[in-house]
Amino acid sequence: GAGVSQSPSNKVTEKGKDVELRCDPISGHTALYWYRQSLGQGLEFLIYFQGNSAPDKSGLPSDRFSAERTGGSVSTLTIQRTQQEDSAVYLCASSLQGKTSYEQYFGPGTRLTVT
Amino acid sequence: DQQVKQNSPSLSVQEGRISILNCDYTNSMFDYFLWYKKYPAEGPTFLISISSIKDKNEDGRFTVFLNKSAKHLSLHIVPSQPGDSAVYFCAAYGAGSYQLTFGKGTKLSVIP
Repeated sequence: GAGVSQSPSNKVTEKGKDVELRCDPISGHTALYWYRQSLGQGLEFLIYFQGNSAPDKSGLPSDRFSAERTGGSVSTLTIQRTQQEDSAVYLCASSLQGKTSYEQYFGPGTRLTVT
Repeated sequence: DQQVKQNSPSLSVQEGRISILNCDYTNSMFDYFLWYKKYPAEGPTFLISISSIKDKNEDGRFTVFLNKSAKHLSLHIVPSQPGDSAVYFCAAYGAGSYQLTFGKGTKLSVIP
């Protein structure tokens, strides 16, 4: 079946512009996660959705970052007024029901470059 | 403060030999551990996991060992194959948490 998909695969933007990154989770997966991987670093947790609500937003680095999920499916991560330190690969993952299903399935990521 | 540490950035192994990837953690609240494999330009792929109530889990060529007292886990791949060449990430869940905490990864190269 279809895995997690993300778009765009690559995004180059100028400092100060807003960007939207999209994630389509595996059908039927109620839990959705956003991570980012900066150069030479491990994956850093950003936010977790269960259905359309986000019980854990603790990883969002600043108020320039926001995310929403609609219909218990597609999620959008928005970064406002992008900065060069926002350059990273942004990864989305989904799982069946949060902690009751430990495996998270990852998409291919969106590589964001802020110039 | 890194809670999951993979101290070897890279590892080279001959085809057919054993690959041993190591991971240390500092947070005693971690209760479930996973290994992911990542190829370039792809997302991480789940490989194998282990609960803190076990000390070993095996799946084909892959075995994960957990030493809770030492806060150490390792992934053994036997025999190693060229297709195993990838970056391997160790990750952990804390009790009651939905966040996966990842190490920085170890790049494994299996030489034919």
